[in-house]
Amino acid sequence: QKEVEQNSGPLSVPEGAIASLNCTYSDRVSQSFFWYRQYSGKSPELIMSIYSNGDKEDGRFTAQLNKASQYVSLLIRDSQPSDSATYLCAVNGATDSWGKFQFGAGTQVVVTP
Amino acid sequence: GAVVSQHPSRVICKSGTSVKIECRSLDFQATTMFWYRQFPKKSLMLMATSNEGSKATYEQGVEKDKFLINHASLTLSTLTVTSAHPEDSSFYICSASGVQGRSPLHFGNGTRLTVT
Repeated sequence: QKEVEQNSGPLSVPEGAIASLNCTYSDRVSQSFFWYRQYSGKSPELIMSIYSNGDKEDGRFTAQLNKASQYVSLLIRDSQPSDSATYLCAVNGATDSWGKFQFGAGTQVVVTP
Repeated sequence: GAVVSQHPSRVICKSGTSVKIECRSLDFQATTMFWYRQFPKKSLMLMATSNEGSKATYEQGVEKDKFLINHASLTLSTLTVTSAHPEDSSFYICSASGVQGRSPLHFGNGTRLTVT
């Protein structure tokens, strides 16, 4: 079983709609959760961090964390063609010392005009 | 803040030669840096964890004699691909975080290596 799982997609979303991405993780002691966006041929860029249960909003992005169910999600509102990319979920179990970041394989999002 | 600079962005070399890739943390000190490799349409693969002043920790299946990592200072880590072969052609990405524990990883822009 992979430690961080995501649907590979592609997730096709009409422009202006909401894209919903899900991620589950296996390590119950995980403390830090991140979403990265990766355009084709580019390196990942951080778009959201979340550490506590509940929702965290930043612009058109909302991250949701449920530690009891071991899932984290990302909502992209008012999706734009520029949001077309692969979104990586990352999990880190560390609290006060370095832990290894675990990455999901990524979900490809395609926003259609 | 938290800018990671990676150089070069693209390199083409002949089989048998060595290539050095530099990774710098520009506005923070990185005691630990990570090196990843990514094939087209595949997920990130962690190659090694680079610790300042000590030997790197390599992931299973990664040849330490082929992928030499040096982390000589708190702001610089280098990856040298020795005696490169066409199968080493890939996208190499470094990352770092300035604070232990809960901070995210910040990635360099990556290096596209093509071995002919």
